[in-house]
Amino acid sequence: QSVLTQPPSVSGAPGQRITISCTGSSSNIGAAYDVHWYQQLPGAAPKLLIYGNINRPSGVPDRFSGSKSGTSASLAISGLQAEDEADYYCQSYDSSLSAWVFGGGTKLTVL
Amino acid sequence: QVQLQESGPGLVKPSETLSLNCTVSGDSINSYYWSWIRQPPGKGLEWIGYIYYSGSTNYNPSLKSRVTISADTSKNQFSLKLSSVTAADTAVYYCARVSSGIDYWGQGTLVTVSS
Repeated sequence: QSVLTQPPSVSGAPGQRITISCTGSSSNIGAAYDVHWYQQLPGAAPKLLIYGNINRPSGVPDRFSGSKSGTSASLAISGLQAEDEADYYCQSYDSSLSAWVFGGGTKLTVL
Repeated sequence: QVQLQESGPGLVKPSETLSLNCTVSGDSINSYYWSWIRQPPGKGLEWIGYIYYSGSTNYNPSLKSRVTISADTSKNQFSLKLSSVTAADTAVYYCARVSSGIDYWGQGTLVTVSS
């Protein structure tokens, strides 16, 4: 059971917009700790997609965006492409655990 | 370009100690946080711990009693030791740099715990 809760799977057709939620609590996201998002393509190491809740590293397309409100954060992907099919993870810090924590991951299927 | 490379045995016997090294190129470990993260086959990511450039460490409370992370600045390497391993420790182990988020990852190395 992960401290940060993500839906196990989401799907969408090419060109559509999807969102992936990451629900935490008052000891992590709700305590104003930053949320980061990672994309893991099959057989590859994770890649930083969004840092500091809303920021994209250089080279990440602007189709990817992050947001945060209260005890939750979201990753949105617009203009869905086949190459976006991957696992996505959120990550933050939890003060009650004194630990960095990951969400359980969400598998994105492009139909 | 920052690159990280894990190295170490791919097979460890139960009850023994898992030892991995991470060699960093393109950056000095005398800055940032340097972390270990693992991923059991078919499962999600689990943070193991980090070492800060000052030498301070922080570990996942669930692993704290078995984990040691250290650094060798002369080799620009940092290391992981996980003691008393069981089959549940079988995973791909990643080393990584932490800046704003985990911005650089090694390719990962599979460590299997089996007799």
